[in-house]
Amino acid sequence: DGGITQSPKYLFRKEGQNVTLSCEQNLNHDAMYWYRQDPGQGLRLIYYSQIVNDFQKGDIAEGYSVSREKKESFPLTVTSAQKNPTAFYLCASSMTPPGGPDGELFFGEGSRLTVL
Amino acid sequence: AQSVTQLDSQVPVFEEAPVELRCNYSSSVSVYLFWYVQYPNQGLQLLLKYLSGSTLVKGINGFEAEFNKSQTSFHLRKPSVHISDTAEYFCAVSDRNTDKLIFGTGTRLQVFP
Repeated sequence: DGGITQSPKYLFRKEGQNVTLSCEQNLNHDAMYWYRQDPGQGLRLIYYSQIVNDFQKGDIAEGYSVSREKKESFPLTVTSAQKNPTAFYLCASSMTPPGGPDGELFFGEGSRLTVL
Repeated sequence: AQSVTQLDSQVPVFEEAPVELRCNYSSSVSVYLFWYVQYPNQGLQLLLKYLSGSTLVKGINGFEAEFNKSQTSFHLRKPSVHISDTAEYFCAVSDRNTDKLIFGTGTRLQVFP
C-alpha cells in the first residue's frame, strides 16, 4: 500500500545527543514536510522540501536539519542545539505545494521523541 | 498573514448528539480549506476539503462542513456522533498566494456514552 513510513515510533535521547528521525514515502510526491506537535499548539512547520536536493526552513527550524537526497526520503535530525526537543514529530507529503488543489497532505503516524 | 482560529479547545458531547466544531480564518481571498482528524498517537488524515463550487462539503465518517465566505468560517458538523469519533480535529487553510498551509490549534472532541 502507498503511504508514509516514519521510524522510530518512540525514541528516547539524552541531552546533548543528536537524533535522526526517518521518513519514507512511496506516493511519488514531490513535496515533503516536517511538523512538530505540542499539546495546545497545533502543528508547527519545521522544514519543507518541494524537490530533491532543495529544502526551506519553516517557522521553527532552529536546532533542526534535514536532507533530501532522494525523492522518497526526507530525514530530520534533531540536534543538541534544539532547546526543547521533546515532542511528537510528524512527516507529511503532498503531490503539489499546499497552494494548489492537489496540495492535500498525507501524514505518517509520527515519532515521539523524549529527551531524558 | 493568514491565520486560523479554532474557538474551542475541547468539546464534550454525548453519543448520538449533534456536534459542531468551529473554525474561522483571517482572509477569504484565494484559499482552500481542510479539516483533518487525528486519533491518539497517530498522524492526521483528511476528513474533507473545500476547493471551489458548492459551499457544503461532505467528507468521510458522516462529517460535513460549510464554507461561509462572508463570515470567513468553515465549521465542521456531524448530526449524530459515535464513541469512535473521539479524536482531535484540525482546521487548515492553504494560502494560494504564499503556498503555505496554516493549521489551527485543534479541537479535542470527546464523545461520552
